[in-house]
Amino acid sequence: SQQGEEDPQALSIQEGENATMNCSYKTSINNLQWYRQNSGRGLVHLILIRSNEREKHSGRLRVTLDTSKKSSSLLITASRAADTASYFCATPPPSGTYKYIFGTGTRLKVLA
Amino acid sequence: DTAVSQTPKYLVTQMGNDKSIKCEQNLGHDTMYWYKQDSKKFLKIMFSYNNKELIINETVPNRFSPKSPDKAHLNLHINSLELGDSAVYFCASSQDRSGGNYEQYFGPGTRLTVT
Repeated sequence: SQQGEEDPQALSIQEGENATMNCSYKTSINNLQWYRQNSGRGLVHLILIRSNEREKHSGRLRVTLDTSKKSSSLLITASRAADTASYFCATPPPSGTYKYIFGTGTRLKVLA
Repeated sequence: DTAVSQTPKYLVTQMGNDKSIKCEQNLGHDTMYWYKQDSKKFLKIMFSYNNKELIINETVPNRFSPKSPDKAHLNLHINSLELGDSAVYFCASSQDRSGGNYEQYFGPGTRLTVT
């Protein structure tokens, strides 16, 4: 099974609502990253949270990390139609390798 | 200025042909990657190069051969294309030398369709 798995697979909300998506992983990590992919485009890095951090903010984004549960969540507050995209978590294995592993993504649709 | 660029953006070809995808990054990064994204959006790493040296070579058929002429370029050549090779291929780069501590920058992708 995959290292990173996002939940839910798809999410549809109204503009102005908050969107929460979760990521679970299986092995120990030194950081976890979230990326956004707009339709037909490449992935764009959103935020990186280190294993010794529990919460991190960037604009309307809030990421939490629970290493005991091996899970992370991404919260987008006051969503906009432009937030419509797929969101992926990515976990690199312990240091010494370059093998990022991406989850299957959450497809978010924000309705205007 | 484009950070990571790929050419071509679309590639339609017949089974059995050989094709190449080019990637260039102007970020001064040491590490570059090739990923394959299938129709279900699953993104899987194929290759990683650090300073022109192959670091990761996942279980990819040897019909796929990456080439890094310099740190800023990582090209992907595919021989004897098969239907199952149809996917979107992404190039990416990162500053990271030790594995995983920096974000990756992705190119716009190359949509390969094999008929």
